[in-house]
Amino acid sequence: QLQLQESGPGLVKPSETLSLTCTVSRSSIVSVGYHWNWIRQQPGKGLEWIGNIYYSGSTNYNPSFRSRATMSVDMSQNQISLHLSSVTAADTAVYFCAKHFSDYVVIDSWGQGILVTVSS
Amino acid sequence: DIQLTQSPSSLSASVGDRVTITCRASQNIDNYLNWYQQKAGKAPKFLIYAASNLLSGVPSRFSGSGSGTDFTLTISSLQPEDFATYYCQQSYSSPGFTFGPGTKVDMK
Repeated sequence: QLQLQESGPGLVKPSETLSLTCTVSRSSIVSVGYHWNWIRQQPGKGLEWIGNIYYSGSTNYNPSFRSRATMSVDMSQNQISLHLSSVTAADTAVYFCAKHFSDYVVIDSWGQGILVTVSS
Repeated sequence: DIQLTQSPSSLSASVGDRVTITCRASQNIDNYLNWYQQKAGKAPKFLIYAASNLLSGVPSRFSGSGSGTDFTLTISSLQPEDFATYYCQQSYSSPGFTFGPGTKVDMK
């Protein structure tokens, strides 16, 4: 069973860059048909897709994040990363790493999520 | 941008009740509609894909229907473990996608 584990700082200052890593275990990032996503959930709110990346490096971003988000793949470490620049308090959220397959975007594997608070 | 709305935003029900949640898309999305269940403090769990197909291991009391712009998730007989928030997700714009705002099902 594939496992995903998010890691990174739990506190980021306003205007700085939020950087998170997702470590994939019991599967390879280089798996045909698997797309690796970042999804966030602000406190008490719904789910918001940030973007996804394929092992080839091909990325897709939510237009709301396109100017601030950067995702990358490290095949040697079996990790994906997210960098979100110029953060504000509105970026305080639980950030999930998740895997989907199929054109129907079946998100069948999720990390436990990591709470990131933006505050000075 | 494809927008999703869900109704109701919340509902109160009892164990054994039949529960129906509606998801509406702002444009035709064929059957590119999935459903998730999320319990407090946990990651979402995938339930249904392509509007009406249950993922392996999902109890048969869950069912989905619809196509085009209007979709429903039905729980035929609500169980104690079903109290949660339910989200629809459109994947018509795959590999991008959006979620609905969620429907919270709590105990009456």
